[in-house]
Amino acid sequence: EVVLTQSPGTLSLSPGARATLSCRASQSISNTYLTWYQHKPGQAPRVLIYGASSRATGIPDRFSGSGSGTDFTLTISRLEPEDFAVYYCQHYNSSLLFTFGPGTKVEI
Amino acid sequence: EVQLLQSGAEVKKPGESLRISCKTSGYIFTNYWVGWVRQMPGKGLEWMGIVYPRDSDTRYSPSFQGQVTISADKSITTAYLEWSSVKASDSGIYYCARQTLVRENFYYYYFMDVWGKGTTVTVSS
Repeated sequence: EVVLTQSPGTLSLSPGARATLSCRASQSISNTYLTWYQHKPGQAPRVLIYGASSRATGIPDRFSGSGSGTDFTLTISRLEPEDFAVYYCQHYNSSLLFTFGPGTKVEI
Repeated sequence: EVQLLQSGAEVKKPGESLRISCKTSGYIFTNYWVGWVRQMPGKGLEWMGIVYPRDSDTRYSPSFQGQVTISADKSITTAYLEWSSVKASDSGIYYCARQTLVRENFYYYYFMDVWGKGTTVTVSS
């Protein structure tokens, strides 16, 4: 079973800053199987990135995903006030078993 | 418009049974997996499992296998999450979501693209 680790646990930044969030897998995984979600309090989660680097429909281009093997990154180029949230990476396998990472909170 | 409408908040005592629902609309129910995700108070998201309504194929996280039952009723385009005996540790917010499949350049990608607003479950004596 693949275990995902995210770092840092909390990222304290100002609007306009660049945010770099890390997701590390316990073993090498295919880019196909790596997804990023955003979750704000009181709201449903929202998919941002699938296939490690493809933006989902309607996601602003300030969000980008990269990485391969065991190390993946979500980058927010310039933080907007609405970007302060918790971000999760998620992995799935060919048997359609999914797992979330523990999350990174991006706060002001 | 694709919508997932979840049932209302529940307050239960330990040992009681519970079923929460996720009524879908705006798409062909039998063409997509529907999944459930838990968020315990103050904690992160946990993927619980999914169901494919066309044939009721289900997949469970090892953490939830045997603890809950996920099902779907094609006739009313509704997915369910059920407990036979709830515990205090089952308290949390439960989200349902459509698991969509995207095909691009010979690759296939699964992700949860449309979510319900969540059902809060409180288990307390």
